Amino acid sequence: DAKTTQPNSMESNEEEPVHLPCNHSTISGTDYIHWYRQLPSQGPEYVIHGLTSNVNNRMASLAIAEDRKSSTLILHRATLRDAAVYYCIPLIQGAQKLVFGQGTRLTINP
Amino acid sequence: NAGVMQNPRHLVRRRGQEARLRCSPVKGHSHVYWYRQLPEEGLKFMVYLQKENIIDESGMPKERFSAEFPKEGPSILRIQQVVRGDSAAYFCASSPRKLLGIEAFFGQGTRLTVV
Repeated sequence: DAKTTQPNSMESNEEEPVHLPCNHSTISGTDYIHWYRQLPSQGPEYVIHGLTSNVNNRMASLAIAEDRKSSTLILHRATLRDAAVYYCIPLIQGAQKLVFGQGTRLTINP
Repeated sequence: NAGVMQNPRHLVRRRGQEARLRCSPVKGHSHVYWYRQLPEEGLKFMVYLQKENIIDESGMPKERFSAEFPKEGPSILRIQQVVRGDSAAYFCASSPRKLLGIEAFFGQGTRLTVV
């Protein structure tokens, strides 16, 4: 499995953009990068995933470095509801499960 | 279109009793995953099942824990002779096929307390 490195915690203010980094230097060319988050007292929820190019959806954007060794999850305008633990998870070809690391605990200040 | 349904949401068992946790996947999903989250810790994979088959049980404790996903009905995670250390949140997820490039849907979890 590809190894990931994420900051343990980050803090931002409401209505400001948030950039959550993830290093995955051992990723291979066919590994997808998935992001999930877990709000307090809830189950994890899917945020976004990508392979090579940047991706956007209604929740967030995912910027993938050209060498694919890192990626950044972008929340364009953080709300209090975005306070959660964010997990960056590489998925290899044939992967059969999501392996969660420690993630980044995001705090949003009002 | 209901998501992943887990029940009960909260379960209290005395030491030595059995705990049965149920997970109904999203309709049409044939892949089910169970995770355990101990208090203040991360999510740990337990088992991956695909209709009637256990595909990967590398995260399951060797004793007292079992899982099934029958042809009809929900997936069941069964813990026999529970101990205090089994107290945790247990999450189930489902997907229509293998996870590469697709979304897994998680339930809200069952919080097991062993007294």
